Amino acid sequence: RKEVEQDPGPFNVPEGATVAFNCTYSNSASQSFFWYRQDCRKEPKLLMSVYSSGNEDGRFTAQLNRASQYISLLIRDSKLSDSATYLCAPSGGYQKVTFGTGTKLQVIP
Amino acid sequence: DAGVIQSPRHEVTEMGQEVTLRCKPISGHDYLFWYRQTMMRGLELLIYFNNNVPIDDSGMPEDRFSAKMPNASFSTLKIQPSEPRDSAVYFCASTTRGRGNYNEQFFGPGTRLTVL
Repeated sequence: RKEVEQDPGPFNVPEGATVAFNCTYSNSASQSFFWYRQDCRKEPKLLMSVYSSGNEDGRFTAQLNRASQYISLLIRDSKLSDSATYLCAPSGGYQKVTFGTGTKLQVIP
Repeated sequence: DAGVIQSPRHEVTEMGQEVTLRCKPISGHDYLFWYRQTMMRGLELLIYFNNNVPIDDSGMPEDRFSAKMPNASFSTLKIQPSEPRDSAVYFCASTTRGRGNYNEQFFGPGTRLTVL
């Protein structure tokens, strides 16, 4: 089983739609969780951290379910500029994170 | 402030040649990471350093790969000899622990390596 699993997509959604991605992780010792965004042929950049109680940043909501070992990312009112690959990244200790292979989102006009 | 700097941005070489990738982390960051990204395997951690000391090199694929960090502002990843399967984008990232337990990693623009 991979340490971090994500549906590769692509998710093709119309502008204004709500879309959700899930990510499962196998390391039960993971303490911190992140979502990174990667545009085509660019470097990954932090989108948001994921807190135990869940957190929201504008149109983006992240949730953590420790019992089931998954995290989710919800994007409301999708914009064309949201088109990117979203990488799930649970921590593995000592500042080390393990990245999933990413879920590709394409927002269609 | 300058972000993480990597050079070269693109490298095309022939099988068997030595390749050296370079990275300058963000000033003040004490963790440095080398990643490799391919379509098939995604973003894989190769090695990371803390205060210039290698902490975990379990991701280094084989003896052909080596990494050094002679000082806080410079690191290299060397492949010798290179093989076509090494073709990938190599990212360097840096971070510092700061007040939180785990903090955002800042990535460089990557080096796109093609081995013919």
